[in-house]
Amino acid sequence: DTEVTQTPKHLVMGMTNKKSLKCEQHMGHRAMYWYKQKAKKPPELMFVYSYEKLSINESVPSRFSPECPNSSLLNLHLHALQPEDSALYLCASSQPRQGVASAKQFFGPGTRLTVL
Amino acid sequence: ELKVEQNPLFLSMQEGKNYTIYCNYSTTSDRLYWYRQDPGKSLESLFVLLSNGAVKQEGRLMASLDTKARLSTLHITAAVHDLSATYFCAVDSQGAQKLVFGQGTRLTINP
Repeated sequence: DTEVTQTPKHLVMGMTNKKSLKCEQHMGHRAMYWYKQKAKKPPELMFVYSYEKLSINESVPSRFSPECPNSSLLNLHLHALQPEDSALYLCASSQPRQGVASAKQFFGPGTRLTVL
Repeated sequence: ELKVEQNPLFLSMQEGKNYTIYCNYSTTSDRLYWYRQDPGKSLESLFVLLSNGAVKQEGRLMASLDTKARLSTLHITAAVHDLSATYFCAVDSQGAQKLVFGQGTRLTINP
């Protein structure tokens, strides 16, 4: 299984809502990532988990809260978002860099988020 | 701070022609990746380049890496319409386990 799955595919939420994005992989990868991608722009890294511990937070606002319950799952909890947070949210996974030649990241299909 | 620059950012070409996309990066790195993205879709891994002089080929696409020049190229041979997409290079920020992406090259291949 070389797939990263994400749910939901699409999400529309108001600025007062609380919602969660989910990501799952069964490739045995121990690093997982959240990216945000605006239209016609490259992905921007938000968070990195390595061995279920948060290793990188790219100064993301606290209205985004990541969680890694186990080595296969990654969540992104959303609360009090702004319209400018509307974007494609991509999850990725890889082997951790240390000691691994490639550490290629496999990307999920993404969740298209619209904040009204 | 690692910066990655691609050029051109937009490329419109005819089927059957050859062209090259360039990816320059600002600091030492030993890993470079090329991804393809179709509109509204996720990123598909094309190539992983791990060492100076590395060359990888898949169909009409060939990627190379010159770590001394901090330059990677993605060469398209005899383009076909199906190759229309946005192509990103991404460089591994050494020691930080993060990828820094170039701006992307939006490639349109016309019949």
